[in-house]
Amino acid sequence: DGGITQSPKYLFRKEGQNVTLSCEQNLNHDAMYWYRQDPGQGLRLIYYSQIVNDFQKGDIAEGYSVSREKKESFPLTVTSAQKNPTAFYLCASSKGRYTEAFFGQGTRLTVV
Amino acid sequence: EDQVTQSPEALRLQEGESSSLNCSYTVSGLRGLFWYRQDPGKGPEFLFTLYSAGEEKEKERLKATLTKKESFLHITAPKPEDSATYLCAVQYGSNSGYALNFGKGTSLLVTP
Repeated sequence: DGGITQSPKYLFRKEGQNVTLSCEQNLNHDAMYWYRQDPGQGLRLIYYSQIVNDFQKGDIAEGYSVSREKKESFPLTVTSAQKNPTAFYLCASSKGRYTEAFFGQGTRLTVV
Repeated sequence: EDQVTQSPEALRLQEGESSSLNCSYTVSGLRGLFWYRQDPGKGPEFLFTLYSAGEEKEKERLKATLTKKESFLHITAPKPEDSATYLCAVQYGSNSGYALNFGKGTSLLVTP
């Protein structure tokens, strides 16, 4: 089945540690995105990538980093510089311009 | 200033009691308006895309409509399984590549 796979589903991090969230898609989509969702807030864009080896900062990129070495993969690293990393992280992909995005099932990150 | 505003924030309906959710937007150069359903702890599930004023889309008990400044998601004779958060998103101009700009959602509860 085609889709987007995020792993792990739950992740716990100690303060000061970097963690990497995985996102893989087999939809052959060019564009991929990372969003953050907090209670009472809409989805906020962290980073996006329109093609391999290219990515751009979204509205809240500080404390995060990404790579796009393969079309299918768009991992997100939450660095120790991110002051409030506890949140629900969602990865999405789309064919491209003016089309709907499809989402993975999310990773819930908790800092302990 | 929010570019996408959804109302109400929360809505409680009796089974069979029809109603509408609103999504108003202030962006210029709308390229597409998208509706999603999100269940607790899950990623958003795509419902509809609307591209131009006057357009309508239907799926089971849901019907989405679009005007120049807002969209409505009409729910006819809802059932308890329609309980979820409904998200609206827009794509406009040349913002953030193809990324979607989300509202904060309407939380719908349908009671038997």
